[in-house]
Amino acid sequence: DADVTQTPRNRITKTGKRIMLECSQTKGHDRMYWYRQDPGLGLRLIYYSFDVKDINKGEISDGYSVSRQAQAKFSLSLESAIPNQTALYFCATSLEGNSGYTDTQYFGPGTRLTVL
Amino acid sequence: RKEVEQDPGPFNVPEGATVAFNCTYSNSASQSFFWYRQDCRKEPKLLMSVYSSGNEDGRFTAQLNRASQYISLLIRDSKLSDSATYLCVVTSGDSSYKLIFGSGTRLLVRP
Repeated sequence: DADVTQTPRNRITKTGKRIMLECSQTKGHDRMYWYRQDPGLGLRLIYYSFDVKDINKGEISDGYSVSRQAQAKFSLSLESAIPNQTALYFCATSLEGNSGYTDTQYFGPGTRLTVL
Repeated sequence: RKEVEQDPGPFNVPEGATVAFNCTYSNSASQSFFWYRQDCRKEPKLLMSVYSSGNEDGRFTAQLNRASQYISLLIRDSKLSDSATYLCVVTSGDSSYKLIFGSGTRLLVRP
């Protein structure tokens, strides 16, 4: 079984709808992240969490919210979806690196979201 | 200016060829550097970390030049299975966990 899973894998929705993307991990990592990927732009960080109930904004948090109710789960919500939120969304996890050391981030398989 | 810049390619090479990718980053305070590999429509996976002294993993060699803020990846004896997009990744200067991703360089290895 995959260590980091995301649901749904694909979703088509309409402008104005509320959407929730789920991420679960069995790696036992404390740190979790949400990214979006757009063609030609690379991955950009939306939100990240270092522990249950810890929430931090990333580079592009506007229009999104997250919830971390358990160590293994980190959900991303689009309260009112708009077409420019059409993208590939990835969840990732990592351990806490030692001082000056960046631990590997492990990515889920991605959710392809289309907002019409 | 993008924080991490890569030539998007595609680089189209025959099997067995040697190919090199370059990447430049803008934040001189960045501390950690990586190459990730991403197959079409799949998740990124760590290929290798990049150290100042340079490092090698089988057919892959990574180099870092801090003075020029430049990172390279060399692939020797290319295989068909090396076809993928290679993402240059650096940490944001003010943290060890915020990763800044390049948009990737696409490699196509032909028979």
